[in-house]
Parts: sequence; C-alpha cells; structure tokens
Amino acid sequence: SQQGEEDPQALSIQEGENATMNCSYKTSINNLQWYRQNSGRGLVHLILIRSNEREKHSGRLRVTLDTSKKSSSLLITASRAADTASYFCATDAVAAGNKLTFGGGTRVLVKP
Amino acid sequence: SAVISQKPSRDICQRGTSLTIQCQVDSQVTMMFWYRQQPGQSLTLIATANQGSEATYESGFVIDKFPISRPNLTFSTLTVSNMSPEDSSIYLCSVVGLAEYEQYFGPGTRLTVT
Repeated sequence: SQQGEEDPQALSIQEGENATMNCSYKTSINNLQWYRQNSGRGLVHLILIRSNEREKHSGRLRVTLDTSKKSSSLLITASRAADTASYFCATDAVAAGNKLTFGGGTRVLVKP
Repeated sequence: SAVISQKPSRDICQRGTSLTIQCQVDSQVTMMFWYRQQPGQSLTLIATANQGSEATYESGFVIDKFPISRPNLTFSTLTVSNMSPEDSSIYLCSVVGLAEYEQYFGPGTRLTVT
C-alpha cells in the first residue's frame, strides 16, 4: 500500500480562495516533496521539505511538516484557475535511497 | 533542475507486442527511476535504473516484463514487453541530480494497449 495518504481526495474552491491539502505517511523520512500534475501529464516539482524543517514557502505555496505526527500540509493561497490540477506528496524513507512513495493525490478544481 | 525528455509521448499498441520508452536528461544525474501511473491512480515505482548494471526492481515488477537499460548517466530505456490492456498507463522516468535531493520527472509516455 502507499505510504502516503492524502486528504481530501478532491477539493473544489472559488478563484481567490485558499486550498489546503494534507498528506500522512507511516515511516521515518528524509524528505517530503510535493508535485502538481495537470491532466495526466508529467509531474511538476513544487517544493521539497527536509525532515529537519517545519515550514517552507515558495511563492503562493506554503508547506508544513510535522514529523511527530508524520504529516504534511500544502497550502495554496489566492488560488487561480490555472492551479486546477492533481497534487501529490511523495516521501523518501530513511535508507530507501531516493526512492519515492506517493500519496493518492488530491484533485483540486478552482472555479473562475 | 534537469531537463528531461521522453519518447514517445504516447502510443497505441496491440496486445502481445513490446514498446521501448526512452528517457534523456540534459545533464549527468546520480539516480534514474521508472514509475507507472495507472488510469486515475497515483504513481508506483517500477525500478531503479542503475548505470552499467541490472536495474533494481520493486516488488511486483520483474525484468522479463520491464527490461531496463541505462548505458550512461544521462539516458535510460524501459521496455514494456508482451503487452496486455492492463499495461495501459502513463510511464514516467525521474532523476535526482548531482548534489540534489529534489526528484524531477519527465513528461511521461501515455501507453494504450488494445
């Protein structure tokens, strides 16, 4: 089974609103990465947060990591129609050698 | 970040045939991987492509079905052999660059088996 699980599975919001999605995992990790995928295309790397970091920002994205709860969240502020996509978290477990385990993904629909 | 290309971008194949997917990176990378994304699903790791040696396969994936080559630090191929409709998926290669932790993905190859 996937190590990472995401919720919600789907999210529908209005343009300008914030979108928050969560990711949980089971084993100790080195890093957690978030990706965006538009309509079944390739994955776009959004942000990497290391296990010793608690929060990271990139533009309108804010990622948090709570290793005690084995969870992460991705916040997209002031969403745009172009943010409509599927978002995946992926973890590389300690001693797994960069191999990623993906969550199930959150499908985000931003309505104009 | 590395620029990754995949060929073909999509294909429709007959069952029982094989398809080889190429992954080319514009710079030397340490690690290369192949993932599969079945329709409506998340990504699953098929194998780690090792330069100059046999790939390391994940549970549920075998070399006879998914032979992989990696002759150098910038190129790898994945072959999907003796295809069946269940192999219809997007196949993606990914790389980890030198002195990096971020893993970047190619644009994917959308395979449909009829």
